[in-house]
Formats: sequence, structure tokens, C-alpha cells
Amino acid sequence: DTGVSQDPRHKITKRGQNVTFRCDPISEHNRLYWYRQTLGQGPEFLTYFQNEAQLEKSRLLSDRFSAERPKGSFSTLEIQRTEQGDSAMYLCASSPGLRTDTQYFGPGTRLTVL
Amino acid sequence: AQKVTQAQTEISVVEKEDVTLDCVYETRDTTYYLFWYKQPPSGELVFLIRRNSFDEQNEISGRYSWNFQKSTSSFNFTITASQVVDSAVYFCALSEGRAGSYQLTFGKGTKLSVIP
Repeated sequence: DTGVSQDPRHKITKRGQNVTFRCDPISEHNRLYWYRQTLGQGPEFLTYFQNEAQLEKSRLLSDRFSAERPKGSFSTLEIQRTEQGDSAMYLCASSPGLRTDTQYFGPGTRLTVL
Repeated sequence: AQKVTQAQTEISVVEKEDVTLDCVYETRDTTYYLFWYKQPPSGELVFLIRRNSFDEQNEISGRYSWNFQKSTSSFNFTITASQVVDSAVYFCALSEGRAGSYQLTFGKGTKLSVIP
């Protein structure tokens, strides 16, 4: 049983460019989460999907950020017009969708905005 | 609003010493879940344990043990006979039990260095 995978693992971009990250959850996991982690901090919740529906978004998710989960499988997180403050590790997690869920995390995508 | 505090930013111990990582949480919910995750230098968060608010039994798993005390809102993690492979950042996290996303609120983490 494969775990959560994320692609790319590292991304370096110039300020103002758009970037897109992909997350493949554990097979048959209904819930998918995106978190952001900056240096020396714990992960912070960004958004959450139940199957293909995006049900909750954090106030951290500015209008430059958009996430999708077509067909309830993989998910993408796009950042438009990147800023240096977007530099962080972007973590994806999935869970089965049961009440007492445990979230399992992927390896993350480290974004550096120059 | 929920909050998790890990007051120890960094801890260094010599191999084979015991070490306890502290976690204090705040929540208004009566149903909630507490977690510990390990983040080694590779960066991937590894799940260690989940406890629900109705189960205050302490748990032991090999060299790891957890002490959950609702009276002090604490969920501390002890590693017995530490090893170099235990070196990592450890995060305590809280999820509230109300219907919703069950999003995790993390503490800032404790960096553990085990010196050979």
C-alpha cells in the first residue's frame, strides 16, 4: 500500500510566476488536506476536500491560491503571482474519512520564491 | 479557538537517556483528538499516536510512552533509552471532534537531538 505522494519535491521559481503542485492521496482515502509549514513552525491548515468537494478553506488561503480535486482522486494546489512570503513547505495529507481520522502526510513540496 | 503549546524548542540528550517532550493544549470542545507526529530531517511527517478525549489511559509502544492528563490539558511524550535515530522534530497536534474537517492544529514542535 503506497503512501501519500507529492510532486515536485522541490520547486524554485521567480517572484510573479505561477506554480502548481500535485498530491496523490492514499488509495480510497476520501479526505485530502493541504497544509503549509514555514521554517521553525508547525504545519498550518490551508484547505480540505471531502471527495471532490472543497469544504473548508483557511483565511491563510488568499485569492492567489486555488486548489482542486477533480474526481475525488489527486489534488492540485496552484499559487498565482508568487511572492517571497509564499516560500514554505507545502504538505498534503489524506485520511479515510471516518470520524476518528488519522491524517497521513506526504513528503511535501518545498517552494522557494526568489 | 484551539491551541497547542510545545514550550521546549530544542532538547539535546546523550544516547540511552530518557527524554520527555511536553505538550499543553487548549480547546472548548469536550470531544477532541490528540496526536504526535515525528518529522525527521527528510521532512515527511510520520504519525506516532492518536488519543481521543475520552480515553485517558497511558499508552506504551516499545520505547515510546504517552501520558494524557485532562486535568492539566497535557499530552506528554516520553522516549526511553533514546537512540540517535530518534533525532527529529516532534509535533503535538489537536483536532476538535465537532462535525467538520477535523483539521489539525499543530504546536511549533520540539527539536530533539540525540548525541551518540
